[in-house]
Amino acid sequence: GENVEQHPSTLSVQEGDSAVIKCTYSDSASNYFPWYKQELGKRPQLIIDIRSNVGEKKDQRIAVTLNKTAKHFSLHITETQPEDSAVYFCAASHNFGNEKLTFGTGTRLTIIP
Amino acid sequence: SAVISQKPSRDICQRGTSLTIQCQVDSQVTMMFWYRQQPGQSLTLIATANQGSEATYESGFVIDKFPISRPNLTFSTLTVSNLSPEDSSIYLCSVGTGTQETQYFGPGTRLLVL
Repeated sequence: GENVEQHPSTLSVQEGDSAVIKCTYSDSASNYFPWYKQELGKRPQLIIDIRSNVGEKKDQRIAVTLNKTAKHFSLHITETQPEDSAVYFCAASHNFGNEKLTFGTGTRLTIIP
Repeated sequence: SAVISQKPSRDICQRGTSLTIQCQVDSQVTMMFWYRQQPGQSLTLIATANQGSEATYESGFVIDKFPISRPNLTFSTLTVSNLSPEDSSIYLCSVGTGTQETQYFGPGTRLLVL
């Protein structure tokens, strides 16, 4: 089955700087890669996703890149703000949200004011 | 996106008892899933709830421990049976709409077993 590895497990970044979180996956049949943000006591919320026919996607301060050959994808957050502090999870699926998501282990991001 | 509710939001149970968690969606959805999130950990899929048939369980999860029902396209229940302290977790349902969209998560049920 699919295995998703995520690094780093914790990340502290000065406010205004950029943060990068990286994930690798094992199953070449995976074609959908969402990123979820989970604040303390809350449900995971989708922040951005990318499909296997796209190499990069950007939404304001957040971007995701995908390298299918190397089977890795990354989350980039620019101009970080205190409200970006949360746990971030990457995931992989064979068919968007219609099949099971395999999650990475999570990254706790702390923005230092 | 679908609006998803879960009941109860939290509960404290004694070991050996069972807890049934309900997941209700405001629209018909194709797929419903149940995940477990142990304290400080990531999300692990327990099973896919299939409408009108038995759920599909992931490795390490069995029907006797986690019976699931899905009587229609908007509702599912997960029961955690014969509770032990190791079952203390957050249990989340999620839905897939059958379109090219992501999964959306319910608010979760926080379970503490004493």
